[in-house]
This record gives sequence, structure tokens and C-alpha cells, in this order.
Amino acid sequence: GENVEQHPSTLSVQEGDSAVIKCTYSDSASNYFPWYKQELGKGPQLIIDIRSNVGEKKDQRIAVTLNKTAKHFSLHITETQPEDSAVYFCAAFILTGGGNKLTFGTGTQLKVEL
Amino acid sequence: KAGVTQTPRYLIKTRGQQVTLSCSPISGHRSVSWYQQTPGQGLQFLFEYFSETQRNKGNFPGRFSGRQFSNSRSEMNVSTLELGDSALYLCASRSLRDTTQGDFGPGTRLTVT
Repeated sequence: GENVEQHPSTLSVQEGDSAVIKCTYSDSASNYFPWYKQELGKGPQLIIDIRSNVGEKKDQRIAVTLNKTAKHFSLHITETQPEDSAVYFCAAFILTGGGNKLTFGTGTQLKVEL
Repeated sequence: KAGVTQTPRYLIKTRGQQVTLSCSPISGHRSVSWYQQTPGQGLQFLFEYFSETQRNKGNFPGRFSGRQFSNSRSEMNVSTLELGDSALYLCASRSLRDTTQGDFGPGTRLTVT
């Protein structure tokens, strides 16, 4: 089955700096890669996603890049703010139109310091 | 629009007991997926239900089961609880048109003593 590795497990940045979180996946058939943000006491919230036919996607301060050949995908947050502090999860799954089964990375605790 | 809701939010049970958790999807969504979140194992897929049928299942023992009702609300049941079942149980819903997975509900925090 699919295996997703995520690094780093913790990340501390100064407000205004950029943060980068990296993931690798094992199953070359995976074709959809969402990123989730989880705040304390809440469920994961989808912040951005990318499909395998796209190399990069951007939404304001958040961007995701995908390297299918290397099976790598990354989350980039620019101009970080204290409210960006949370746990971030990457995930991978195969879009077949059938059942949904996300395989998650182990999470990155991002702390944005003032 | 209202998001995914889960009840109860917190639950304490004793080893050997069974528990039932409930998930109400976003209005119009007919697919409900369940995940278990623990510090050690992270987020793991339990199962997905669509139109009252289980469509996909993760690698969990048979003590974990679920069902979906005609109004798309879903329940999951864990029988013969073990200490290791202590976790945050999350559900997420999607519509038939969505081939992606959106937001999750707030989860039910289950503690087994």
C-alpha cells in the first residue's frame, strides 16, 4: 500500500519568514495530494491540494509543488503569521472515482514565533 | 453551510465495553469516511460509506465496524474496547461530484481506561 513520509516533524520560524514542509510517497499510482492544517481541538482542514497533472499550485501565501518523477511534494508558506501555527499533514491517494482512502504523513508541528 | 458534526465530542469508556460514535455529514454529501488519529500511528483510514454501503476499508480488526443510514448519517462502533483504542476519531464527508476529500469534523475524543 501507499506510504507517505513527512519532514520535518517540528518547524519553528520567525514571523514573516517562509516555511517549507516536504513529503514523499511510495505508490506511483497516487494522483491526488492534499494538505491539511489541524489546530488544537479541531479536525484537519483542507488548505490546498494538487493533482498529479499539475506541477505547482498557489493560493495567496500558500503554494504546493509536486515532482512526480521523484515522488516528492512540498508545502510552502510565505510571510508566516502567528495564526499559521498548527500541525500540518500531507496526504496521498489515488483518484479512481471509486472509494476514498487517504494515506497521511506523520505531521509537522509549525510554530511561528513573534 | 454547516460543517461535519460529530457526537459526542468526548467519551470515557472502560476496557471491554463497546462504544458508538456518530457523524452527520455536510448537507447533500452522501459519502462518509472515518479515520483514527493517535500520537503514535497518526491519521489512519478506517472505512468509507456511500449510499449505506461500505466502499473501502482500512487495516483495522473486526471490532471496528460502521454503518450508514438513508439520511447519510453514519455511526461507527468499537466492541471490546482496548486501551490502544484511545484516540481521536474523525469523520469527513464528500459529495458524489467530489473526487477529493474536504474538511473533517471536530472528532470524538475516546479515552479507554
